[in-house]
Amino acid sequence: EDQVTQSPEALRLQEGESSSLNCSYTVSGLRGLFWYRQDPGKGPEFLFTLYSAGEEKEKERLKATLTKKESFLHITAPKPEDSATYLCAVLPDSSYKLIFGSGTRLLVRP
Amino acid sequence: GAVVSQHPSRVICKSGTSVKIECRSLDFQATTMFWYRQFPKQSLMLMATSNEGSKATYEQGVEKDKFLINHASLTLSTLTVTSAHPEDSSFYICSARDTSGIYEQYFGPGTRLTVT
Repeated sequence: EDQVTQSPEALRLQEGESSSLNCSYTVSGLRGLFWYRQDPGKGPEFLFTLYSAGEEKEKERLKATLTKKESFLHITAPKPEDSATYLCAVLPDSSYKLIFGSGTRLLVRP
Repeated sequence: GAVVSQHPSRVICKSGTSVKIECRSLDFQATTMFWYRQFPKQSLMLMATSNEGSKATYEQGVEKDKFLINHASLTLSTLTVTSAHPEDSSFYICSARDTSGIYEQYFGPGTRLTVT
């Protein structure tokens, strides 16, 4: 069964304290892995798509990496405005339906 | 680019009435749109997949007669919650897949439905 697991569930960081969020997945075949950011009361905002192991993408303080079993979202020197829930989703090659993890709630304190 | 809008952003209705939520892709065409429901502090739950010009495909456990989906054009899909009850109160989010792109889905801002 296709599955996505995110850890930790919640993460508290001090401003400037770098860390990583994990997304582990099992899927029969991977079309793509997606990272989204969701603020309270809003829809998910697209961040990255990764298609193959070894691929990396960066955007400001965020960097996403992909292996055959997991993806990491690295946050470098986070700021309070990076506080949000980060969602990971995979698109199996058997479907066009995203399979979401339960998310990581990130709080960055000033 | 890749902007998806939803209307209304918030709606309060009385039990037994129907509510229509619109989802529009503003700067791209979307042959496929998706409707999700999200409960507090939980991840997104896919309700249905709609393809332009054809009937929606509903996920197991989602009542197709209660949640009517129409995807009449390449930029518009609607979700109608019929005979709404308090248990239908939730955050509804749509997403659209860019026809010209690869696999990315872009999400709307969501609609908060409260049934009294």
